[in-house]
Amino acid sequence: ETGVTQSPTHLIKTRGQQVTLRCSSQSGHNTVSWYQQALGQGPQFIFQYYREEENGRGNFPPRFSGLQFPNYSSELNVNALELDDSALYLCASSQTGGAGDTQYFGPGTRLTVL
Amino acid sequence: AQSVTQLDSQVPVFEEAPVELRCNYSSSVSVYLFWYVQYPNQGLQLLLKYLSGSTLVKGINGFEAEFNKSQTSFHLRKPSVHISDTAEYFCAVSRMDSSYKLIFGSGTRLLVRP
Repeated sequence: ETGVTQSPTHLIKTRGQQVTLRCSSQSGHNTVSWYQQALGQGPQFIFQYYREEENGRGNFPPRFSGLQFPNYSSELNVNALELDDSALYLCASSQTGGAGDTQYFGPGTRLTVL
Repeated sequence: AQSVTQLDSQVPVFEEAPVELRCNYSSSVSVYLFWYVQYPNQGLQLLLKYLSGSTLVKGINGFEAEFNKSQTSFHLRKPSVHISDTAEYFCAVSRMDSSYKLIFGSGTRLLVRP
């Protein structure tokens, strides 16, 4: 059984650019959540997708957007990058998205904005 | 709103000694509780979770945690640590009536010394 995978591993961008991060969910999982983890902090929830629909959103501006595809893989898009967007971006998949359901995390994408 | 406090940013301990990592939470509604571990350059891995029932929860790698509702705490313990337990540990909660997000504490770095 393949776990959650993310690409790319590392990424360097400059302010104002746009970036797309990708996530493949674990087999049999239909829910994907995205988190931002700044250096030295805990992950912060960005949004969740359930069966291709956004199912909840954290306190992030609209320039953070996402997609979920029919195979339940997902993308996180960030427009107009700012220095503070530098962080580890984590994707997590779960079987149903229900409360208490275990979220399985990928290894993350390290984004550096210069 | 919910919040999670991990009072200790770093806990140094000698190998084979016991350890306790503290977690307190605040919430106006009932929550589920989780502990995750993050090894260097990796994503988060679930150690254990409390959904209901016995307040003492056993997890992987010899870890256990006790839910104390009156003190709103969910401390993580291990009777004898190994060098390989060196990692960042995150406590998290999710609302029982909501499916979509984990709220994390800021993490505790466990440093096991020989």
